[in-house]
Parts: sequence; structure tokens; C-alpha cells
Amino acid sequence: GESVGLHLPTLSVQEGDNSIINCAYSNSASDYFIWYKQESGKGPQFIIDIRSNMDKRQGQRVTVLLNKTVKHLSLQIAATQPGDSAVYFCAENPTTSGTYKYIFGTGTRLKVLA
Amino acid sequence: NAGVMQNPRHLVRRRGQEARLRCSPMKGHSHVYWYRQLPEEGLKFMVYLQKENIIDESGMPKERFSAEFPKEGPSILRIQQVVRGDSAAYFCASSPGGGEQPQHFGDGTRLSIL
Repeated sequence: GESVGLHLPTLSVQEGDNSIINCAYSNSASDYFIWYKQESGKGPQFIIDIRSNMDKRQGQRVTVLLNKTVKHLSLQIAATQPGDSAVYFCAENPTTSGTYKYIFGTGTRLKVLA
Repeated sequence: NAGVMQNPRHLVRRRGQEARLRCSPMKGHSHVYWYRQLPEEGLKFMVYLQKENIIDESGMPKERFSAEFPKEGPSILRIQQVVRGDSAAYFCASSPGGGEQPQHFGDGTRLSIL
């Protein structure tokens, strides 16, 4: 199911350090996962995706890890920069449902400290 | 290459009025999705459309809400007789097809009900 949060969990990271943002997804039938970054007043911006037949995928400064056994997804950001400050959402797509609606997590706010 | 365009960015309505939100998908994209976001929460799926067809409206309230994606022109999300609880950010996303392709989001319409 989906949880409703009154306050977003916050991760504070020193500039230059690596960030790890975690996400527990709900549907074991989900086979496609996406990470989005959302800055204040803007729409979600695609970062990286991963299919269920993979357990790791790398992009530019970002890595997504998928553990289907425990239904866990993580986003690693290397050498975190001030411009990385935003709210990060994971989304799952249970494509076996025959439709393509994303189920979003509650989000994590990343604060980069100078 | 323009992204997903939504207008208006901000919309203020009084209780009982109608709200119309527009979305032009990215060029070449024929699949459109509408999501709703409350402050400090993740996005909640509302409806998925292809040209002239509603594919999945399982997330849309049965009363007062409707969506269309005509052969020509933008997708429209229409809310009749708005109530205070309709205040939220409404995001549109598009993709070139269904399946495991990331949805790309617009910057949303922020609806405020007086």
C-alpha cells in the first residue's frame, strides 16, 4: 500500500560526500522502477530507471541498486553537490497489471551542506 | 525539444466553479498520465490516456473529475464544482509508449480553492 507522511524524512550530507537514499516498495509484482528528483515548484525529473532483471545500474554520478528479495531500492549519488538538494522519489510500475501507472514512495528530502 | 507543457501554472477558483487543466505531451509521445500531489507527499496516479481513449482511470474520483486526450490538442483534466479538498498540484506526464519507458513530467498546475 501507500503511506501518507506529514513530514518528509530528511538526509543531510556534506558537499562532496556520497549520498544514499533508500526506498521500500510495496508490490512484489512490480518489475520496473524509476528514481525522480523534484525541486521546489517543479515537476519530477527523471534520474535513472532499472528493470527487475537487473540488480544494479549506473548513470552519471548515480547508481541504483535493486534487491527484490526484500523489496528495496536505493539511489546512490557520488560526490554530492549543492544542486543535488531536492526531494527524491522512487516509483514502481507493476507492469503485469496491464497498465502503466506509477506508484510513488513518500520521498526523501536531500539537503547538501556546504 | 520542448518538454511536457502544462498550463496554467497556477489556478485559483472559488468553491463550486470549474477548473480546467491542460497538458501538451512531449513531441512524439502518445501516452499521457495525470497525477495529483499534496504538500510533502508523493504523487498519486489519477488517469492514463492515449489519443481519444481512457486506458485506466482507477485513480480518479468518480464524481466531478473527468479527463480527455482528443485527437487534436492537449489533454484536459476537468474538475467540476470544485471543493477545498481539490487544492493540490496536478502533474501531467507523457511517454512514447506504454511499458518500461520512463514517464516525463511537466511542472504542474497548482490549484487553489478559495
